[in-house]
Amino acid sequence: GDSVTQTEGLVTLTKGLPVMLNCTYQTTYSPFLFWYVQHLNEAPKLLLKSSTDNKRTEHQGFYATLHKSSSSFHLQKSSVQLSDSALYFCALNNYAQGLTFGLGTRVSVFP
Amino acid sequence: EAAVTQSPRNKVTVTGGNVTLSCRQTNSHNYMYWYRQDTGHGLRLIHYSYGAGNLQIGDVPDGYKATRTTQEDFFLLLELASPSQTSLYFCASGDRDSDYTFGSGTRLLVI
Repeated sequence: GDSVTQTEGLVTLTKGLPVMLNCTYQTTYSPFLFWYVQHLNEAPKLLLKSSTDNKRTEHQGFYATLHKSSSSFHLQKSSVQLSDSALYFCALNNYAQGLTFGLGTRVSVFP
Repeated sequence: EAAVTQSPRNKVTVTGGNVTLSCRQTNSHNYMYWYRQDTGHGLRLIHYSYGAGNLQIGDVPDGYKATRTTQEDFFLLLELASPSQTSLYFCASGDRDSDYTFGSGTRLLVI
């Protein structure tokens, strides 16, 4: 079945530094990938999505490119802010069965 | 505004107790999902439905029943609650051509 792998459980960094969160996936279907962000005591919210190979998608300073050749959809930001501290989930959509989530990466940004 | 509303927000029950979690969506989506979120496991799919009267089994269905009574309403039932079901539960709705919307979550404690 479908699977999503996020290799970092926790990322800690200082405000203003760049960040990259890894996401790789496995599916037999045409992939539709998502990044969700979940702040403390809130529901997951959509950050980015893409089904187009090799096209960069951006939102709120975050960006990601779906690479079907390497089954990857890494999330990046050039300069993190304190408000970026949150839990980030990569997810793969099989519309018949909903989203398959990775385990999540917690990002903690310090002043 | 389209939304997904869950109730209750918090619930405490005893082992062996009977619990019903409710979810209502006003997005006119066909698909609705129940997930549980646990540290170290991400979000895992319990049950889902693609319309009133339909029910599909997710990845972690043991100990849970669900019922989709209308297009809008999807219920998760724990008939003999166990401490292992202590978790944060999210309901979501979605469709092929729309984004997923998550409810605010129900925090369940089984003592």
